[in-house]
Amino acid sequence: SQKIEQNSEALNIQEGKTATLTCNYTNYSPAYLQWYRQDPGRGPVFLLLIRENEKEKRKERLKVTFDTTLKQSLFHITASQPADSATYLCAHPYSSASKIIFGSGTRLSIRP
Amino acid sequence: GAVVSQHPSWVICKSGTSVKIECRSLDFQATTMFWYRQFPKQSLMLMATSNEGSKATYEQGVEKDKFLINHASLTLSTLTVTSAHPEDSSFYICSARDPGPSSYNEQFFGPGTRLTVL
Repeated sequence: SQKIEQNSEALNIQEGKTATLTCNYTNYSPAYLQWYRQDPGRGPVFLLLIRENEKEKRKERLKVTFDTTLKQSLFHITASQPADSATYLCAHPYSSASKIIFGSGTRLSIRP
Repeated sequence: GAVVSQHPSWVICKSGTSVKIECRSLDFQATTMFWYRQFPKQSLMLMATSNEGSKATYEQGVEKDKFLINHASLTLSTLTVTSAHPEDSSFYICSARDPGPSSYNEQFFGPGTRLTVL
């Protein structure tokens, strides 16, 4: 069955540095990957989608890469700020495109 | 982006009672909505796919008689936890897909409902 893993449960970095989060998937070749942000007690908020034929996608301070050979996506936040502290989830579709499966999330803390 | 609301945002109930959670798409029509459950420090687990005008599709291991889903209109899906027990205490989140033409549609999530069963 499809499996999606986010290796780091938690990541703490200094403000201003670049945060890099990792997402690995197995047993499936998704057509796209998504990244979401979730704050405590709230629902996830969509951030970025990257398709299998795209190597990189950017949105303001966010950058996502998709390596289909390594079966991995990296999520970068440059010039990180304390307000970026949250849990970040990666997700990809089930074999049916309408459903998505989530990774366990990485809790990112940016210290001033 | 599209907005999805949930009601109530939190609920506390006694063991054995039933609880209904509503999920609404506020500015778009959603033929398909999804219900997730999230335990503390864990990821979202898909419980079921709610289909407007037809029966919901449940994921393996989710009891359809315990978690009743009704998708009576294009903007409303409800999840009823029947005969709730303390182990049903969790954060329940619904989502709806952007109804645009692309197959890479993002999902919009509701704010979640915190259920505590005493």
